[in-house]
Amino acid sequence: GAVVSQHPSWVICKSGTSVKIECRSLDFQATTMFWYRQFPKQSLMLMATSNEGSKATYEQGVEKDKFLINHASLTLSTLTVTSAHPEDSSFYICSAKVGRSYNEQFFGPGTRLTVL
Amino acid sequence: SQQGEEDPQALSIQEGENATMNCSYKTSINNLQWYRQNSGRGLVHLILIRSNEREKHSGRLRVTLDTSKKSSSLLITASRAADTASYFCATLNTGGFKTIFGAGTRLFVKA
Repeated sequence: GAVVSQHPSWVICKSGTSVKIECRSLDFQATTMFWYRQFPKQSLMLMATSNEGSKATYEQGVEKDKFLINHASLTLSTLTVTSAHPEDSSFYICSAKVGRSYNEQFFGPGTRLTVL
Repeated sequence: SQQGEEDPQALSIQEGENATMNCSYKTSINNLQWYRQNSGRGLVHLILIRSNEREKHSGRLRVTLDTSKKSSSLLITASRAADTASYFCATLNTGGFKTIFGAGTRLFVKA
């Protein structure tokens, strides 16, 4: 149980285009989902926290107009990288939390974005 | 910085040896978790230790937590080449809203 999927697993796009990444909790309802980005050989940096039906809370330094997050249901959150540029190339990982805030997070397998 | 610190940043050992990684964090926590990540892949959850626990075991893994020093250690005993990966600690703050990752330790186990 507690499986989180991401789609696509990798994407290559041209500079200036927008890319949407989906994060789904497959067998549970996630009250909260998180988006992280990871540059090569670095740690995961939290970008934003999203709760179903409400606006995402972005971490300091993360542009909300650049990284649009929609959490339309308890099983789906999407991250759209708008007008992508090469510096947006990164590994994007989502995670989902079940129920009470102290519970474990379950992580998706990640999406590798390469912007040419 | 939102990250805690881990040391060493990189660790290279021979198969069969033990590997110890340390993690320090900055805020009060509810729990601390350790994850493994193989190159270019997602995270694998290893173990969770709550703030009122001091030590926890899972197979070849032993985790300790010292909340007075705001530090944790992960010990992998009898390491194998397949243990080669990056290891991250992650803390859930007492508000329970978000999990923050440490910088990670890259472990190389030579066969």
